[in-house]
Amino acid sequence: DSGVTQTPKHLITATGQRVTLRCSPRSGDLSVYWYQQSLDQGLQFLIQYYNGEERAKGNILERFSAQQFPDLHSELNLSSLELGDSALYFCASSPREPSGNTIYFGEGSWLTVV
Amino acid sequence: AQTVTQSQPEMSVQEAETVTLSCTYDTSESDYYLFWYKQPPSRQMILVIRQEAYKQQNATENRFSVNFQKAAKSFSLKISDSQLGDAAMYFCAYRTGGDKIIFGKGTRLHILP
Repeated sequence: DSGVTQTPKHLITATGQRVTLRCSPRSGDLSVYWYQQSLDQGLQFLIQYYNGEERAKGNILERFSAQQFPDLHSELNLSSLELGDSALYFCASSPREPSGNTIYFGEGSWLTVV
Repeated sequence: AQTVTQSQPEMSVQEAETVTLSCTYDTSESDYYLFWYKQPPSRQMILVIRQEAYKQQNATENRFSVNFQKAAKSFSLKISDSQLGDAAMYFCAYRTGGDKIIFGKGTRLHILP
């Protein structure tokens, strides 16, 4: 158990809908990362937050947004869903700086868009 | 831009044998960190080993060790005494000073009984 909690674990929704994925980082971790992994693909970095502020942005679509709340949990919002958005969405967290710290992954949220 | 390349999409090894997975990266930074993550069929991402670029000594974790060649920008993972439970996708990752972590496309490792 990495200590990173993601909900829901599985989600099936229709095209055009909106979903919210939630992540609770490990206790004390200030950084939260979101990654997308499509079937048999590598991990695509979406976005990173550090202590409530956006820190780095990757290949995140405009239909997607995220935020990190004062209690450090984070939410990833996916809207106007398309079939191609079906993927495993990982949240990861790491402690405060320095940046050499390892990031620890949650078990992921499986999103299926039908 | 930093990139991570894993040139072997798939590999197979006989149980109890040794296998080496390759990883190269491209960066202009001098201070960075490298990782190997394992993703078994459960799809969970598990840290295998990490290496600090400023350390010359290769990291070792039980049956897992790395061969870090900084000048060549190479970071290979050696698995000794391969076990059936080692079957997984292995991802090489690079962490920048700016905190971003970049993953390679992965190598799928099969263990043959």
